[in-house]
Amino acid sequence: EAQVTQNPRYLITVTGKKLTVTCSQNMNHEYMSWYRQDPGLGLRQIYYSMNVEVTDKGDVPEGYKVSRKEKRNFPLILESPSPNQTSLYFCASRGGGRQKLFFGSGTQLSVL
Amino acid sequence: AQRVTQPEKLLSVFKGAPVELKCNYSYSGSPELFWYVQYSRQRLQLLLRHISRESIKGFTADLNKGETSFHLKKPFAQEEDSAMYYCALSVNTGNQFYFGTGTSLTVIP
Repeated sequence: EAQVTQNPRYLITVTGKKLTVTCSQNMNHEYMSWYRQDPGLGLRQIYYSMNVEVTDKGDVPEGYKVSRKEKRNFPLILESPSPNQTSLYFCASRGGGRQKLFFGSGTQLSVL
Repeated sequence: AQRVTQPEKLLSVFKGAPVELKCNYSYSGSPELFWYVQYSRQRLQLLLRHISRESIKGFTADLNKGETSFHLKKPFAQEEDSAMYYCALSVNTGNQFYFGTGTSLTVIP
């Protein structure tokens, strides 16, 4: 089944403890992106990647890192998480051109 | 700066009544606009996009560049339309996305 898989679904951590949220797609999509969803703010783009080794900042990249070493994976890295990064995170991928975004099921992160 | 505004956080309509979810955007270039929907316990998914000029599940949306709007409409709401709806703007050759804050639609039986 074509899909975007995020792990974990839920994560509770403490301030400053590095963490990685994984995202994988099985559709051979070149484009992948990360979003955070906060009440009253909707979804905001964190980073996106147009292909392997090609990444760029979205609207709210501060405090996050990404890497794209393989086409199928696009992990989101929080080197030193802070409570203001408590949020619901979504990964998405897209095929060529202006095709639709396929979203993952989300990762609820709580930073204490 | 680019922005997408959905003025209604919550919207309730009766089954069979018309529904309109409002979306306004600000962007100086040529916009690409989308409506995404999230049904209960499902992933966010594309409902429709302006470039396709299509009708999906009875919904339509027309891009009005003069009013910078992309309102979503359906003439007769159904209970299964109850969901969260997000309007989205794509810029930078489709790489950057700006989403509205979403409208939660409830269709009352």
